[in-house]
Amino acid sequence: DIQLTQSPSFLSASVGDRVTITCRASQGISSYLVWYQQKPGKAPKVLIYAASTLQSGVPSRFSGSGSGTEFTLTISSLQPEDFATYYCQQLNSYPLTFGGGTKVEIK
Amino acid sequence: EVQLVESGGGLVKPGGSLGLSCAVSGFTFSDYSMNWVRQAPGKGLEWVSSISSSSTNYIYYVDSVKGRFTISRDNAKNSLYLQMNSLRAEDTAVYYCAREMMIVGATRAHYYFDYWGQGTLVTVSS
Repeated sequence: DIQLTQSPSFLSASVGDRVTITCRASQGISSYLVWYQQKPGKAPKVLIYAASTLQSGVPSRFSGSGSGTEFTLTISSLQPEDFATYYCQQLNSYPLTFGGGTKVEIK
Repeated sequence: EVQLVESGGGLVKPGGSLGLSCAVSGFTFSDYSMNWVRQAPGKGLEWVSSISSSSTNYIYYVDSVKGRFTISRDNAKNSLYLQMNSLRAEDTAVYYCAREMMIVGATRAHYYFDYWGQGTLVTVSS
């Protein structure tokens, strides 16, 4: 099974900050990586698929990069509505797996 | 408007059974693979099971539910199901159904879960 390790697991930041979250895969997954945002009590929402493609309707301050085993999600200028938990997911092979999550809180 | 609505959650004793449903609308259900994802209280997301659009191509499960859970679908009723037997305390979670989108690129196809239901809570406790 492919393990996804996200870092950090918790991040405290201010509005306007540039934020970077890393997701490392235990083996190569090409670009079969997706990023989701989840707010408390809500279902996850897709932000980025294919490692770097922005989902329609998602603000351009979100970007993704990487291939193989190392991936990053960057928020260029953190907005109040971005405080949430972020998950990566690999769809390279079954069983599909998620990273442990990164909670972004207000500093 | 695409909608996915789960139902069937509740409180069940260890060893018991429960059946979840996911009713969909707003898209051609038979064109899409579907998934169940769960989230234990205060924990992260865990993929549970996937089923292909016609049910015949593939069905997959996470190891922890193999032999106990059964995913199925009825394309005529626009519904996805998860039959859960021999339930354990560690199965306690919010269960989400999610649609799987496939995007065909220049050299490969990519997949992601683009629409999710609101979730239904399953609590396994004596």
